[in-house]
Amino acid sequence: SQQGEEDPQALSIQEGENATMNCSYKTSINNLQWYRQNSGRGLVHLILIRSNEREKHSGRLRVTLDTSKKSSSLLITASRAADTASYFCATDGGTSGSRLTFGEGTQLTVNP
Amino acid sequence: ETGVTQSPTHLIKTRGQQVTLRCSSQSGHNTVSWYQQALGQGPQFIFQYYREEENGRGNFPPRFSGLQFPNYSSELNVNALELDDSALYLCASSRFLSGANVLTFGAGSRLTVL
Repeated sequence: SQQGEEDPQALSIQEGENATMNCSYKTSINNLQWYRQNSGRGLVHLILIRSNEREKHSGRLRVTLDTSKKSSSLLITASRAADTASYFCATDGGTSGSRLTFGEGTQLTVNP
Repeated sequence: ETGVTQSPTHLIKTRGQQVTLRCSSQSGHNTVSWYQQALGQGPQFIFQYYREEENGRGNFPPRFSGLQFPNYSSELNVNALELDDSALYLCASSRFLSGANVLTFGAGSRLTVL
C-alpha cells in the first residue's frame, strides 16, 4: 500500500461544519504537504509542515504533525460548498527532490 | 490557478499503440516530474527531470520514458500501451519553498486505452 494513507476515504458534512482528515505515513520525512484536487483535475498545494513543526495554520486550514506516530491531520474550519474536493497528503521520504509519495486521498463533500 | 499546461487534455488509444504527452512548465522552474493517477487513487511518481536529465524514477517499466527540453518543457512517452495505463497523467514543476519542493501541477492528460 502507498505511504501516506488518508482516513476517512470519504467525508460528507454540512456547510459551516469543520472537516478533519487524517494521514499516516511509514518512513522518515523532511516535510509533509497537503494538496487538493477538484474532480480529476490538477492538484493544488495547500500547506506544508516541516518535520520539526507540530502545528501550522493558513486561513481556515490547520495542520498538525506527530512524527512519533507518523501521522498528520488537516482541519478545515467553517467549511463551504466550494471546499468539496479530494484532499491528499504527500511526503518526501526524507529526500530533497520533487519525488512525493501521495496517499489515496479523502473525498470531502460539503453540502449547502 | 496553474502555470503548467498539458496537452492533449483527453485522448483514446488502443492496446499496443504509443502515446506522447506534453507539458510546458512554469517559468523559472527547472525541475519537472510526471505522475500517474489511476481512478480513485493518489498520484504515483513516474520520474523527474532536472536540466534535461532523468533524476529519479518510480516503479514504472522502461516503456515509460521522457524528455526535458532546454526551455524546461517536457514529454512523457509510453510505448506498447496496456489497458492498465488508462489514467490521468499529471505533470508538475517544482519550486523551493520553506526548505521543500512544492509542486505546481498541470490539469492533466486523461488517457484511455481500449
